[in-house]
Amino acid sequence: KQEVTQIPAALSVPEGENLVLNCSFTDSAIYNLQWFRQDPGKGLTSLLLIQSSQREQTSGRLNASLDKSSGRSTLYIAASQPGDSATYLCASFNTNAGKSTFGDGTTLTVKP
Amino acid sequence: EAGVAQSPRYKIIEKRQSVAFWCNPISGHATLYWYQQILGQGPKLLIQFQNNGVVDDSQLPKDRFSAERLKGVDSTLKIQPAKLEDSAVYLCASSLGGGGGTGELFFGEGSRLTVL
Repeated sequence: KQEVTQIPAALSVPEGENLVLNCSFTDSAIYNLQWFRQDPGKGLTSLLLIQSSQREQTSGRLNASLDKSSGRSTLYIAASQPGDSATYLCASFNTNAGKSTFGDGTTLTVKP
Repeated sequence: EAGVAQSPRYKIIEKRQSVAFWCNPISGHATLYWYQQILGQGPKLLIQFQNNGVVDDSQLPKDRFSAERLKGVDSTLKIQPAKLEDSAVYLCASSLGGGGGTGELFFGEGSRLTVL
């Protein structure tokens, strides 16, 4: 059974800082790894998706990496802004199970 | 392109009452998912449809929850009778499916259920 862990559960940083969010998974037989953003009371917004054959994806100030052998993915946010404050979740689509498993998220607060 | 639509956004009911949630996926998306998200946790899959067939309902509490996807487009999720522990956000997601695409999930805004 795939397990996905995100540590820390909460993170607070000053504006302008670069930061890394972590996601680890137990089963490396994944089809893809997807990062989401969730604002309070809202649904999940897709940020980046990394296919199993890829090592990283970039979108603006965001960069996500994938290392299947170590069961880890990271989301790098450059020059953080107060508008980046939200909960960030990762989900791995496990090939054997045929479905995605989510972590519990990291709640990020960027202070002005 | 229209996103995943869900309704209602909010619902408050008494325990033992019934409730239904509706989802319209992105046009052309064959795979539809219902997730339950309890405060502070990640979404947990309840049921997955491929077109109008059920692919995975192993985590669906079938004694009280039911879901259908008639004609392979819209879907409804019903809870009857509701329990206090059913208070959560019910998220609908869709993906291209059918063996093609990247498997990227697209979510609706969710339906927040409060059971009193």
